Amino acid sequence: GAGVSQSPSNKVTEKGKDVELRCDPISGHTALYWYRQSLGQGLEFLIYFQGNSAPDKSGLPSDRFSAERTGGSVSTLTIQRTQQEDSAVYLCASSLYARVNEQFFGPGTRLTVL
Amino acid sequence: TQLLEQSPQFLSIQEGENLTVYCNSSSVFSSLQWYRQEPGEGPVLLVTVVTGGEVKKLKRLTFQFGDARKDSSLHITAAQPGDTGLYLCAAPDTPLVFGKGTRLSVIA
Repeated sequence: GAGVSQSPSNKVTEKGKDVELRCDPISGHTALYWYRQSLGQGLEFLIYFQGNSAPDKSGLPSDRFSAERTGGSVSTLTIQRTQQEDSAVYLCASSLYARVNEQFFGPGTRLTVL
Repeated sequence: TQLLEQSPQFLSIQEGENLTVYCNSSSVFSSLQWYRQEPGEGPVLLVTVVTGGEVKKLKRLTFQFGDARKDSSLHITAAQPGDTGLYLCAAPDTPLVFGKGTRLSVIA
């Protein structure tokens, strides 16, 4: 079946604007994760969803970041009032369950804040 | 939070050479994973090592889990340009905890 897809693949925005990044997980996967990857850095955890449980938001860097997952499938990561330090690749991953260790990653959205 | 240290951070070698990259921690893990990330793509799982001292082979790639389950290594034999990418180790947690990776460049 299809893998994890993300859109847009690239996003250039001006400082102070809001952006929305979309993730379509693998069908049937109950767990969905968002990570941020800055140049020269590893993957920084942002948030994860598991089924209908409350999301784990412990990795969100500020209250400008939020995410939702509708109908247990598609997820949207929203960054309000973007700053230049928000520039990074935002990766989404899904897994069958949260405790299943293999995560399948999408290709990422490269966000550039001018 | 479990901290994973990967070394070297960067590695550039000629095609045909052998190399080893490392993933170390002061914590004991039930397992460790290795992912490879190619430019413009997300990481892809290569292997999960579970037992202390375990060795797993994937074609020219050999993965070893330390006896004390605190470290792991990845050895590539006769590297090829297609091996170029970012190699990440990850610890099983929810969510996964990743090291910063080793960026490998294999020059033809």
